[in-house]
Amino acid sequence: NAGVTQTPKFRILKIGQSMTLQCTQDMNHNYMYWYRQDPGMGLKLIYYSVGAGITDKGEVPNGYNVSRSTTEDFPLRLELAAPSQTSVYFCASSYSLVTHYSNEAFFGQGTRLTVV
Amino acid sequence: DQQVKQNSPSLSVQEGRISILNCDYTNSMFDYFLWYKKYPAEGPTFLISISSIKDKNEDGRFTVFLNKSAKHLSLHIVPSQPGDSAVYFCAANYGGAQKLVFGQGTRLTINP
Repeated sequence: NAGVTQTPKFRILKIGQSMTLQCTQDMNHNYMYWYRQDPGMGLKLIYYSVGAGITDKGEVPNGYNVSRSTTEDFPLRLELAAPSQTSVYFCASSYSLVTHYSNEAFFGQGTRLTVV
Repeated sequence: DQQVKQNSPSLSVQEGRISILNCDYTNSMFDYFLWYKKYPAEGPTFLISISSIKDKNEDGRFTVFLNKSAKHLSLHIVPSQPGDSAVYFCAANYGGAQKLVFGQGTRLTINP
């Protein structure tokens, strides 16, 4: 019962470096999401995907890129890391059919990223 | 623009008593509401939800109430247990948008 798996769990980046946060799910979910959570704040949507090959921007997409080549994987790319991207990142997935309208997204454990 | 607000950053309740967590929203288009629970170093986990066509949904010790006219929902936990100590997030969604909007969270502490 792996669910949603994120790697790495922790990472320290220097300003200007790049990295990819990995996310994979084994529940055959159509929808996948990337959220970030800043201290004392709720989760804000960065990007989401409704299926392989289809992605769209969320509330805070600047500085990030995504791709969805398979149903299982949804990596998040930071090209030029900035201190403002210091946050905890959560990947999530949900199952969506016309008749299944519940949006019970399942979350990974999170990646704590620090940019110095 | 904070569309979903949890105005209490923290709440402390004695074990066995009722915990009431509150959430307000501004977008009248929201038609589905969820509560998530989050332990430290873990991702949020789904707790309970309610559709806008209902005003109450119950699941064991957890009950969610929705007051559409006031744009307010609340989560009641009774009786409260030490394992309920966590951060609780309220979230909302509308019409197939498939994008949850989260509140800031309330840290609930259950004291023995």
